[in-house]
Amino acid sequence: AAGVIQSPRHLIKEKRETATLKCYPIPRHDTVYWYQQGPGQDPQFLISFYEKMQSDKGSIPDRFSAQQFSDYHSELNMSSLELGDSALYFCASSSRQGQGGGKYLSEQYFGPGTRLTVT
Amino acid sequence: DAKTTQPNSMESNEEEPVHLPCNHSTISGTDYIHWYRQLPSQGPEYVIHGLTSNVNNRMASLAIAEDRKSSTLILHRATLRDAAVYYCILRSRSNDYKLSFGAGTTVTVRA
Repeated sequence: AAGVIQSPRHLIKEKRETATLKCYPIPRHDTVYWYQQGPGQDPQFLISFYEKMQSDKGSIPDRFSAQQFSDYHSELNMSSLELGDSALYFCASSSRQGQGGGKYLSEQYFGPGTRLTVT
Repeated sequence: DAKTTQPNSMESNEEEPVHLPCNHSTISGTDYIHWYRQLPSQGPEYVIHGLTSNVNNRMASLAIAEDRKSSTLILHRATLRDAAVYYCILRSRSNDYKLSFGAGTTVTVRA
């Protein structure tokens, strides 16, 4: 079965540079989530998109932006990189099932992550 | 967001059951109990979820207390591949789609 694809898998950047991470969700999944996991930390939610619209926002720095495109893939753009941005970045996808106010929460499927190292 | 509390770590022997507790005393009526796990160097992976009744799937069982203030994830026969960090997460049916990871339980399986 197709899984979530993330690219690149590894990325090395210098301080103040920019980086773009890409995420390709599972086919027919309409929701994409981005998470950041620092060294020795638990994953932290950054932002999510549903049907190409931002649906929720977590602790995402103003230097970061993201969008979801018409083919449902998503990109996380990171500017003015800092040493503290070094982390694993996971993308997850899911589909909203059900109708109306009683929508069922399907599980999230995570990609393998992009390891960003800022030097 | 309603919070969960889990032990920092647990150890088990291979092929023995593992019972992972989770306390969620402030759970609301619309909160589902989800479990995810993260194997070393991998993204988190869905394990199981439930609302009120006990649930079983091919990976594990979820036992939910009658008052819903606690739950237990049961791995029936631990294998070395089950060594991971296990997260108990509450998700509201109404509006909470993101996963809020807290401090999970690190499970070590001895051969």
